[in-house]
Amino acid sequence: NAGVTQTPKFQVLKTGQSMTLQCAQDMNHEYMSWYRQDPGMGLRLIHYSVGAGITDQGEVPNGYNVSRSTTEDFPLRLLSAAPSQTSVYFCASSSEGFLEQYFGPGTRLTVT
Amino acid sequence: GENVEQHPSTLSVQEGDSAVIKCTYSDSASNYFPWYKQELGKRPQLIIDIRSNVGEKKDQRIAVTLNKTAKHFSLHITETQPEDSAVYFCAARYTGNQFYFGTGTSLTVIP
Repeated sequence: NAGVTQTPKFQVLKTGQSMTLQCAQDMNHEYMSWYRQDPGMGLRLIHYSVGAGITDQGEVPNGYNVSRSTTEDFPLRLLSAAPSQTSVYFCASSSEGFLEQYFGPGTRLTVT
Repeated sequence: GENVEQHPSTLSVQEGDSAVIKCTYSDSASNYFPWYKQELGKRPQLIIDIRSNVGEKKDQRIAVTLNKTAKHFSLHITETQPEDSAVYFCAARYTGNQFYFGTGTSLTVIP
């Protein structure tokens, strides 16, 4: 099992550009989540999904969109990147309600 | 985030000593409290968790205690080793399916 995978590992965007961060898991987990990690602030929940077709907002959802068309994939879209979105983004999955989450390796995003 | 407070932000201990990290939460209905370890440049990894129906859980050198009345929980690492050096995060699952992390504790174990 590959676990939770994320692509790309690194990305540099210019302000106003859009992009999609990819996340996939092969553990048949229903719950998937996106977090951003900033220095001194821990990890903050952006969006999460409790199953295919169902998504909801976390603590910091503004500027991000998600969709969940399959159990395996949970992409995160930045519609118009801003320097404030410079961060490390982690995807995670679990079999139920944030219990025993497995994290992906992360994507380091820089917006200039 | 502010919904989970974590202290201290940095902690240095001598090898073999114990380390204790404390977290407080605000939602009295919270029912799940995990601890994650994150090494530099790596992903967070779950090391131990506790649910609200128990007061203590232990796994070898690591233990977590929960005080629901005071709304705080703690990570205890005994007989620390250099490989325990990392950043440790507490977290809590709040009602409404929200999940909050503390701001992290950077633990250094001095050989």
